[in-house]
Amino acid sequence: EEKLVDSGGGLVRPGGSLRLSCVGSGFTFSSYTMNWVRQVPGKGLEWISYISSGSRNIYYADSVKGRFTISRDNAKDSLYLQMNNLSAEDTAVYYCARVTGWTNWIDLWGQGTLVTVSS
Amino acid sequence: DIQMTQSPSSLSALVGDRVTITCRASQSLTSYLNWYQQKAGQAPKLLIYAATRLQSGVPSRFSGSEYGTDFTLTISSLQAEDFATYYCQQTYSTPHTFGQGTKLENK
Repeated sequence: EEKLVDSGGGLVRPGGSLRLSCVGSGFTFSSYTMNWVRQVPGKGLEWISYISSGSRNIYYADSVKGRFTISRDNAKDSLYLQMNNLSAEDTAVYYCARVTGWTNWIDLWGQGTLVTVSS
Repeated sequence: DIQMTQSPSSLSALVGDRVTITCRASQSLTSYLNWYQQKAGQAPKLLIYAATRLQSGVPSRFSGSEYGTDFTLTISSLQAEDFATYYCQQTYSTPHTFGQGTKLENK
């Protein structure tokens, strides 16, 4: 079974840092572009970052640029999101997501990990 | 950045109804438009990719259309399991913006 498992969420103080992880299984992780997408509870989806299969191409939403860093370790079938200088507006469920096809659709999602930024 | 305007934001319908949800892009996407369904407490699920292509395993009552910068998701005959929130997403250029979502509720 193809699967993505997100982890690393939790409660963090404003200005703090957190590192999310996502492990893929059941497919060749190194062949796929990956995204992070977040969702404030009760609100819509927000695309926040993209990394190509070999890490050559990386993109961020303006809302996280300069504070978040996406990376991957294909030897470990893992995707990461380093989040620094967190604020209350970053409170959300974070999903890792597999991208495929010529129009970059997301065909596999992690279960999500909740990040709460609060004092 | 490309803006996606999704409408309506909410919709009440009955089982058996034909339902249409629309996304309008601020510029041409040349079919780089995907539709997702999300049920409460779950991750989103891909329904339609490349504007009109049905994802494997998705019932054929779901379909997508493209008319210039306007995209529609149609459910031909609503079933009980279709009450959920639906999102479009453009992947033509980064940021790969999502529409605001359409919550489909039982009338």
